[in-house]
This record gives sequence, structure tokens and C-alpha cells, in this order.
Amino acid sequence: NAGVTQTPKFQVLKTGQSMTLQCAQDMNHNSMYWYRQDPGMGLRLIYYSASEGTTDKGEVPNGYNVSRLNKREFSLRLESAAPSQTSVYFCASIRRGVVTDTQYFGPGTRLTVL
Amino acid sequence: GENVEQHPSTLSVQEGDSAVIKCTYSDSASNYFPWYKQELGKGPQLIIDIRSNVGEKKDQRIAVTLNKTAKHFSLHITETQPEDSAVYFCAGGTSGTYKYIFGTGTRLKVLA
Repeated sequence: NAGVTQTPKFQVLKTGQSMTLQCAQDMNHNSMYWYRQDPGMGLRLIYYSASEGTTDKGEVPNGYNVSRLNKREFSLRLESAAPSQTSVYFCASIRRGVVTDTQYFGPGTRLTVL
Repeated sequence: GENVEQHPSTLSVQEGDSAVIKCTYSDSASNYFPWYKQELGKGPQLIIDIRSNVGEKKDQRIAVTLNKTAKHFSLHITETQPEDSAVYFCAGGTSGTYKYIFGTGTRLKVLA
């Protein structure tokens, strides 16, 4: 069980370039999330997918698009990167239980936009 | 919408002492409050959580308390060890809404 995997681990882009961050989970979870983490800001939700075939905006969706390719994979796309998108990006999936909802996070992608 | 505030932003304790991190939330509909530990270079990991129908939950050296009236919840770590050094995040949300709002994090340093 690899859990939640993300690629790439590091990326440097120039302003205006595009790229896709990949995320996959092997735990058969229905719901998946994309967060960004900035110093002093905690984790902020960009987009989430409650189930395969659905996606919804979170707190900070501007400048991003997502695709829930199948139950396992949830990608995040930056169409025209801006320096304000320099951040660490985390993908997560959630196991819903009767009592506890457990989010499992990937190792993160550190993105720098010059 | 929900807003979660977390204090302090940094906390240093001597090994063996206790550490307390506090969070407040704004949405009275929130009913689930997890705590995460993030080690350097890794993603956050759930360490303990509490639901609004419970006032306290304990797991070995870690405990969480919830005061629904005051809308605050706290993480207590007893007998701290160097490996407890990390960034801790609280979060709050409502079951079934799929959204959890995170606090801004507390960097805990346990001094040997």
C-alpha cells in the first residue's frame, strides 16, 4: 500500500508556464483533495472531489483547474503560473468511518514560480 | 463559513514537560475536530480527533479536549519527547460537507 503519491516532488516554473501536478491513491477512497500550504497560512483547500466524476471549488480555486480522472487519480493544473502560486501542494484522500473521517496526505510538491 | 484560529504559533518546552496548543472555531455547526502532526518534508498525519458529542479523548500521551459552548478545543501532549518536535495543525468541519478548515499551525520544539 503506497497510500497517497504525488509527482513531481519539486518543480520550478517561469511565469506563464503551465503544468499538471499528479496525485494517486490506492486506498479505494471516494473523496480526494488538493491543498496549498504557505508559511503562516496553514493548509488551504483549492479543490476537492467528493466522488469520481465530481469536483468542487474550495477556498482558493482561482488560477487552478482539476480533473478526477478515475477513482484513484486527481490532478491539479496550473494553466498560466504566477509567482503567487509558489507554494507546497498537498493531495489528500479521505476514509469516511462511522465515527472518524481520516484524511491521508501525500508527501507534497514544492513549486516555485519565478 | 468556518474560521479556525490556532495559538501559539511556536512553542518550546523542555523534554518531559507538557505542551498545550489551543484552537477556536467560529461555526457552531462544526462537529469534527482533527489534529495533525507534520514532520519536516512530509505531509500532515492525523494523530487524534474528537467529535462534538465528546468532551475529551485520550490516546496514550496525547489528549484533546473540546468546549462546545466556548467553541474551542485543545491538544495536550504530556511527557514530551524530542520526536514530538514538529508542526501541529488543528482543523474543524462538519461531517458530510467534505470541507475542513485548518488552523495556521504551531511549531513545537522539545528541548533535550
